[in-house]
Amino acid sequence: SQQGEEDPQALSIQEGENATMNCSYKTSINNLQWYRQNSGRGLVHLILIRSNEREKHSGRLRVTLDTSKKSSSLLITASRAADTASYFCATGGGTSYGKLTFGQGTILTVHP
Amino acid sequence: SAVISQKPSRDICQRGTSLTIQCQVDSQVTMMFWYRQQPGQSLTLIATANQGSEATYESGFVIDKFPISRPNLTFSTLTVSNMSPEDSSIYLCSIPRTSYASGELFFGEGSRLTVL
Repeated sequence: SQQGEEDPQALSIQEGENATMNCSYKTSINNLQWYRQNSGRGLVHLILIRSNEREKHSGRLRVTLDTSKKSSSLLITASRAADTASYFCATGGGTSYGKLTFGQGTILTVHP
Repeated sequence: SAVISQKPSRDICQRGTSLTIQCQVDSQVTMMFWYRQQPGQSLTLIATANQGSEATYESGFVIDKFPISRPNLTFSTLTVSNMSPEDSSIYLCSIPRTSYASGELFFGEGSRLTVL
């Protein structure tokens, strides 16, 4: 599992449906981030949630964080075919600067 | 957002050869980071490239295998030396997106290497 493990490993849905991906981690964190990767290309930063936050929204994205359970979820509402990608959670920052520990990722396929 | 250009975008290499990947950024940054993504896997940090000093390597990565140059604040190279098929991966350059403390990163498009 990812320092985090991501769950599910793969998710296939229809356009318009919501997609929920989960991430668990093992150590205490400063923040948790979510990234998207299209077709094995570069990663794009989606959203960051700090350890003292429980929920955060950005457009169609909603992220939750439960530090007591060491877990986070990413919800994409009203999914589109263009959301098809791999999604990774990542922990790090603070004195670790650019050293992020990524999860194994969830492959999301949105069918038109 | 920053523009990060990586070259080559992909290459097919022969076993035993070396390949240098270039990373050019459109802004000056103190730290640049090199990550590796093996097929079907997640990303792992190889090293942090600091301008004016030796790169800092993570556990499992050594300078002889992955020499890094950082001649100025906008450019870095990563060389994959004496390649074997196990080195087939996507190599990604990244820079801080906001403050260093947040850990948020911009990534280049990656260099996909296939070693035969």
